[in-house]
Amino acid sequence: GQQLNQSPQSMFIQEGEDVSMNCTSSSIFNTWLWYKQDPGEGPVLLIALYKAGELTSNGRLTAQFGITRKDSFLNISASIPSDVGIYFCAGQNYGANSKLTFGKGITLSVRP
Amino acid sequence: NAGVMQNPRHLVRRRGQEARLRCSPMKGHSHVYWYRQLPEEGLKFMVYLQKENIIDESGMPKERFSAEFPKEGPSILRIQQVVRGDSAAYFCASSPLGRQAGANVLTFGAGSRLTVL
Repeated sequence: GQQLNQSPQSMFIQEGEDVSMNCTSSSIFNTWLWYKQDPGEGPVLLIALYKAGELTSNGRLTAQFGITRKDSFLNISASIPSDVGIYFCAGQNYGANSKLTFGKGITLSVRP
Repeated sequence: NAGVMQNPRHLVRRRGQEARLRCSPMKGHSHVYWYRQLPEEGLKFMVYLQKENIIDESGMPKERFSAEFPKEGPSILRIQQVVRGDSAAYFCASSPLGRQAGANVLTFGAGSRLTVL
């Protein structure tokens, strides 16, 4: 089956720093999404990408859909303490079921 | 507008009991998905339902697990004769009708955390 790889499992940064996270896939996706999960909550959509090469921003977040359609990255600029959480990438293909395939996530810690 | 509502948020069961998890999708959403999350893992797809129909259950264990989305009322994920390995967070997501790009972005509920003693 399709797999998404996110590494490292954890990242530790200082408040104010920028951080970049990658996600790679063994197969092509038509849509890439980035979700954030806070402790005890469900994933919340941060950014959705629909075209290869697309670069999209949402506040301090920027994400890109790789040209090969097998990867994506998420950048967080000027990190703040509330950026702490687990960041998941997810791939989705068009069609009747539209199910998401998730990576294992990266746990981000921000030191004040 | 209320989001995806799941209940109970926490459920404790003893081995062999049944667990029922409920999910009310967002208003106007007729597609429901169930995912399971084990500790330090990503979310794994279980089942996709539309009203009264199971569309894709390729991620559901063959035994003890079932799901429904009746014409009236919430979607139910049912786990019979629970075992310790069923302990996990179960998330429901919903999406609006439509298959155009972007129309099927999933909105997740806060999850139901099942603990099997």
